[in-house]
Parts: sequence; structure tokens; C-alpha cells
Amino acid sequence: DAGVIQSPRHEVTEMGQEVTLRCKPISGHDYLFWYRQTMMRGLELLIYFNNNVPIDDSGMPEDRFSAKMPNASFSTLKIQPSEPRDSAVYFCASSPTGGMNTEAFFGQGTRLTVV
Amino acid sequence: KQEVTQIPAALSVPEGENLVLNCSFTDSAIYNLQWFRQDPGKGLTSLLLIQSSQREQTSGRLNASLDKSSGRSTLYIAASQPGDSATYLCAVRPDTGNQFYFGTGTSLTVIP
Repeated sequence: DAGVIQSPRHEVTEMGQEVTLRCKPISGHDYLFWYRQTMMRGLELLIYFNNNVPIDDSGMPEDRFSAKMPNASFSTLKIQPSEPRDSAVYFCASSPTGGMNTEAFFGQGTRLTVV
Repeated sequence: KQEVTQIPAALSVPEGENLVLNCSFTDSAIYNLQWFRQDPGKGLTSLLLIQSSQREQTSGRLNASLDKSSGRSTLYIAASQPGDSATYLCAVRPDTGNQFYFGTGTSLTVIP
């Protein structure tokens, strides 16, 4: 398996524009997580899905952020409208169900810059 | 809510030294704990996972220990090398809920 795949790797956009980040989890993993990483706050969980259903979105900062998982192999994180304070690295991770030995696997991240 | 802290925030050692990175967490009701490595501008690479029922895990020069009752984990790196330079993060998975709570990370520099 190629691992968790995120696109794009880098995104530069102007304030007010819509941004869509994409993630393909590892096949067979039924948990998918979206994290945001900044220097100030470290890694923060935004939302996670189980079997394509959002389970906990309490970390989504505000209504400008939305996430979907239309099927088991694809998820999107959308920011509309984007603001400079949204600049961060956004990571997607996936994990299988089953036991204490289940690991989380992370994608390479999308570095978002809003100018 | 689970709080995870890593000390020190940064560490610089000469090549060849053995070193210990620390991770502490406030709620001992965890499912497992995972150590990650992050290189600058890169994603997170899993190093070791310790189940809540385990005391330690080893992989090559790395050894991770877990003392769940005291809310602590350590990552021991033997005979450090310049290639070990990276940020090391620990993450705990609570036994209720399935998210991972991350520590603040330790930035390690191994000087040749």
C-alpha cells in the first residue's frame, strides 16, 4: 500500500478563497483523522470519521471548516472562506479497528499558506 | 481532556550519546501510546507503539517504556547518530474514543 496520500502538498491561496484538501486513507482502515499542526498549538485534532461517519468534530475551529468522507477511500477538508490564521500544515491519518496494537499512519501533510 | 507533555522541548547531544525523551499524560485510562518521528517539512513516521498492558517495546536502538499508573513514557535512544536529528512526538489513545492526543514534541539535534 502507498500509505496515506494527501493532495496537494502545498497550497497558497488568497484570503477569502475556498480551499479543499484531499486525503486517501490506507485501504481497509476504517478510521480517518484530520489534524492541524502549527508552531503555537502543535498537533490538534480537527475531526475524525469511523466507517465514513463523522464521530467527533469538536475540534473544527468554526463554521468555515467542513469535512466529508463520501466513501471509504476519500475524504476532503474544506475551508471557505480562508483566512491568514488558517495557515498551517494539515495532516490526514488513518487507522484500522481492532485491538490495542492498532497504529495511526499519517500522510505527508498539506502546507497551507493564506495570504 | 487528556493533556500530553513532553520534556525537554529541545535537546542537543554529541554523536554516540545515549539519551532519554520524556512524555507524560494526565489521564491513565489509555488504550495505547505511540512514538513518532517528524523530520522538517515531512509527515509523521511511527517508531513504536506500546499497548496499555505492556511495559516496553524495542526496535533497534530505540526502546520505549510505559508506566501507565504514573502517566509516563520514555523513549530511549542508544548510541545516537546525526540521522536521529528530528522532532519526536508521543501520542496517547484513550480507552474511550479513538482520537490521538499529541504531546508538544522534543526537537533533537545530534551533533557529529
